[in-house]
Amino acid sequence: KQEVTQIPAALSVPEGENLVLNCSFTDSAIYNLQWFRQDPGKGLTSLLLIQSSQREQTSGRLNASLDKSSGRSTLYIAASQPGDSATYLCAVETSGSRLTFGEGTQLTVNP
Amino acid sequence: DADVTQTPRNRITKTGKRIMLECSQTKGHDRMYWYRQDPGLGLRLIYYSFDVKDINKGEISDGYSVSRQAQAKFSLSLESAIPNQTALYFCATSDPRDYETQYFGPGTRLLVL
Repeated sequence: KQEVTQIPAALSVPEGENLVLNCSFTDSAIYNLQWFRQDPGKGLTSLLLIQSSQREQTSGRLNASLDKSSGRSTLYIAASQPGDSATYLCAVETSGSRLTFGEGTQLTVNP
Repeated sequence: DADVTQTPRNRITKTGKRIMLECSQTKGHDRMYWYRQDPGLGLRLIYYSFDVKDINKGEISDGYSVSRQAQAKFSLSLESAIPNQTALYFCATSDPRDYETQYFGPGTRLLVL
C-alpha cells in the first residue's frame, strides 16, 4: 500500500526566504506526482504535476523535483511572500488514476 | 464561474439521516472522484468514476454510495449518517489528456450530530 509522508508538518518563515517542502512515498511505481495548495476552508489547487519520466517542473517561483528511485520529491519556493501562506499537499498517482495524499505542510510566511 | 461546484457547502445533520452531496463540473471531464479530508489523515478516496457507466470503490467506501447521473454530475450519499462521517468532502475531476491533473471543488463541510 502506497504511503506518502510530508515533512515538516508546519513551517513558519520570514518573508523573502527561500524554502523547501519535502514529500516521500513508499512505492516508486508511480505515474506522476502532484503538488497542491489548499487555503483555509477552500478546495485544492493544482500547482505542479511531474510525470514519472520527468525530474522537475517549474512554475514561476515554484520548482518541484522528483527522484522516483528514492521515493522523494521536493517543492522549492523562492522569495516567499505572505500570500504563499497555505497548506501544501503532495499526492502520487498509482494505478487507475488514484491519488494517495500526504497530510500536508502548513506554511506561514510572516511579513 | 467555478469549473467544479459542490452543494451544499455546509450541512449539519443528525445520526441516522440520509443525505446527499452533489457535484457538478463544466470541464467536460469523464473522470470524477469523491474524497474526504480529516485532520491528521489527509485526503482519502471514497469512490471514483471514469465514465457514466463506471463506478469504483476507493479506499473508504463503507457507509457511502454514489450516483453518476451524467458526465457532468456525480453525487455522494450517506445512507445513514454517523458522527465519524463528520469531515470535509471534496469532489474532483481529471482528464487523461491533461496528464490526470485533478481539479477540485470548494468542498462540503459536513457535521453529523
